[in-house]
Amino acid sequence: DVKVTQSSRYLVKRTGEKVFLECVQDMDHENMFWYRQDPGLGLRLIYFSYDVKMKEKGDIPEGYSVSREKKERFSLILESASTNQTSMYLCASSSLAGGPGEQFFGPGTRLTVL
Amino acid sequence: KQEVTQIPAALSVPEGENLVLNCSFTDSAIYNLQWFRQDPGKGLTSLLLIQSSQREQTSGRLNASLDKSSGRSTLYIAASQPGDSATYLCAVSGGAQKLVFGQGTRLTINP
Repeated sequence: DVKVTQSSRYLVKRTGEKVFLECVQDMDHENMFWYRQDPGLGLRLIYFSYDVKMKEKGDIPEGYSVSREKKERFSLILESASTNQTSMYLCASSSLAGGPGEQFFGPGTRLTVL
Repeated sequence: KQEVTQIPAALSVPEGENLVLNCSFTDSAIYNLQWFRQDPGKGLTSLLLIQSSQREQTSGRLNASLDKSSGRSTLYIAASQPGDSATYLCAVSGGAQKLVFGQGTRLTINP
């Protein structure tokens, strides 16, 4: 079974702090994604990566950056957390073979910025 | 720009009923369509993936159909159980590795 893990289930940070969210997948997938999910807005793509050291902006990249130094690990960085970044953050991965594949999601990180 | 709509937003049915959840999308040039389940406060669980060349996929009591030309997909759940209560999301991929999600249907199965 594909397993996508996220470093924390719940996180509370203060405004202005630098925040790191970590995601690890164990299926050797090329693609990895970061989404945020908010009531009434649904899931929105922040960033994705299709290879090590490669990144592409999604629909809402402002205020975020990402890092992919190893194939299995994709990090989301909030350089200076703000209250409007309070949200549920979801990581996903998929295989590149044969075109867009099935996406598998982690359990999510509920981030609260005070 | 691709838009995905799921109607109804919420559905409540008695246990044992067969039910259908609907998903529509505006651009028929999709690569695949995926159905997910999400329990409160949790991540998404992939249920079924339908490639654009397929008409349907089945897994246990679930059957998903795809009519690409009309921009529609349905998820059929047979003999519903209280454990099926969750939010169901559909998402389409246009070939750029990215998914566009609907807002979901919140399903409640009453014992």
